[in-house]
Amino acid sequence: DIQMTQSPSSLSASVGDKVTITCRASETIGRFLNWYQQKPGKAPQLLIFGASTLQRGVPSRFSGSGSETDFTLSISSLEPEDFATYYCQQSYSDLRTFGQGTKVEIK
Amino acid sequence: QVQLVESGGGVVQPGRSLRLSCVASGFSFRSFALHWVRQAPGKGLEWVGVISYDGGNQKYADAVKGRFTLSRDNSKDTVFLQMNSLRVEDTAVYYCARAGEDCSSWCLDYWGQGTLVSVS
Repeated sequence: DIQMTQSPSSLSASVGDKVTITCRASETIGRFLNWYQQKPGKAPQLLIFGASTLQRGVPSRFSGSGSETDFTLSISSLEPEDFATYYCQQSYSDLRTFGQGTKVEIK
Repeated sequence: QVQLVESGGGVVQPGRSLRLSCVASGFSFRSFALHWVRQAPGKGLEWVGVISYDGGNQKYADAVKGRFTLSRDNSKDTVFLQMNSLRVEDTAVYYCARAGEDCSSWCLDYWGQGTLVSVS
């Protein structure tokens, strides 16, 4: 199975900060990489697919980049509603796998 | 609007079985693959499996292969997850999710609210 490793596991930031989360695949996956946001007690929501394409309705402060094995999710200026846990997921393999998550907390 | 509603969760003893359902509405159900994803308490997301749009193809995570079975009834807009030989480590919230439209099925664009399965 393809292993997905996110870093950091958690971070503290303030409203207005720029935040970057990285995701590394154990083997090359092209651009078959998605990002999800999950808030406590809620289902995950799709943010970005294909490494860099914003899902409809997602604010433009979110962006994604990368290819093959190394990917990043950036939030240009944190808003209060962005404090959540973020997961990457590869869809290159039939057996889809998620990263372990990155929790973004309020400093 | 697109909706996915899971049901069937509950408390079950190790070794027993449980069947989860996910009823869809607001889209052409028979045109989309459906995935299941689970989340153990306080843990991250774990992909469980996927069933193709016509039910003819399924894939499973290694952790559940041979114990869990996916099926669907396109006449009732419903997908089922049959879970046999349940283990304590299967305790989780189980989500069904639709294979995405804009991403050509490579992402999960709509999720249900989840149903809790507790094995103890």
